[in-house]
Amino acid sequence: GQNIDQPTEMTATEGAIVQINCTYQTSGFNGLFWYQQHAGEAPTFLSYNVLDGLEEKGRFSSFLSRSKGYSYLLLKELQMKDSASYLCAVSGNQGGKLIFGQGTELSVKP
Amino acid sequence: DTEVTQTPKHLVMGMTNKKSLKCEQHMGHRAMYWYKQKAKKPPELMFVYSYEKLSINESVPSRFSPECPNSSLLNLHLHALQPEDSALYLCASSQDGTGNGGELFFGEGSRLTVL
Repeated sequence: GQNIDQPTEMTATEGAIVQINCTYQTSGFNGLFWYQQHAGEAPTFLSYNVLDGLEEKGRFSSFLSRSKGYSYLLLKELQMKDSASYLCAVSGNQGGKLIFGQGTELSVKP
Repeated sequence: DTEVTQTPKHLVMGMTNKKSLKCEQHMGHRAMYWYKQKAKKPPELMFVYSYEKLSINESVPSRFSPECPNSSLLNLHLHALQPEDSALYLCASSQDGTGNGGELFFGEGSRLTVL
């Protein structure tokens, strides 16, 4: 079967660092995506990993280990506006089908 | 232009109505998608069009009928819907026309309420 797991909720403090983990089991692998979704809005693209290692983009970094079926999204210098749902999604071997995890609801507190 | 535009933003319809959701992109993307999203749930794939041909139908009930008139437009025709079909309907596009996912650009969504 196909399965993507990520924590349901996380809380962190403004200015801190938070790591959101994602583990996956899918039929085939063509890349892993992280999306941010604020309440009532559309998901917006954050990062894409297809090779092992760390991809850094400003305050956001994403890591992938294909052998472990594991990824994480690292958010640094947290801001209140980072409060949102973070979706891990995997592109498997069925062209066009992006499989989403349940999403992690991140709350950033002052 | 890096936008996916969806209309209408909000739609309320009765179970006997026929309505359509529309989606447009001018980024030259060759794959377009319809997703359904319920509150506090991830998006669920409904349909994928690749090079204007339907490539994936995720066993969606026939009361939802997709249409891709050209490479920039994607419609979702709605007929005889049920209250449980109330959700946010997201359109997305990707440059990769082979349908291997690729970065999805999402529209703002059409929030549908079925009475």
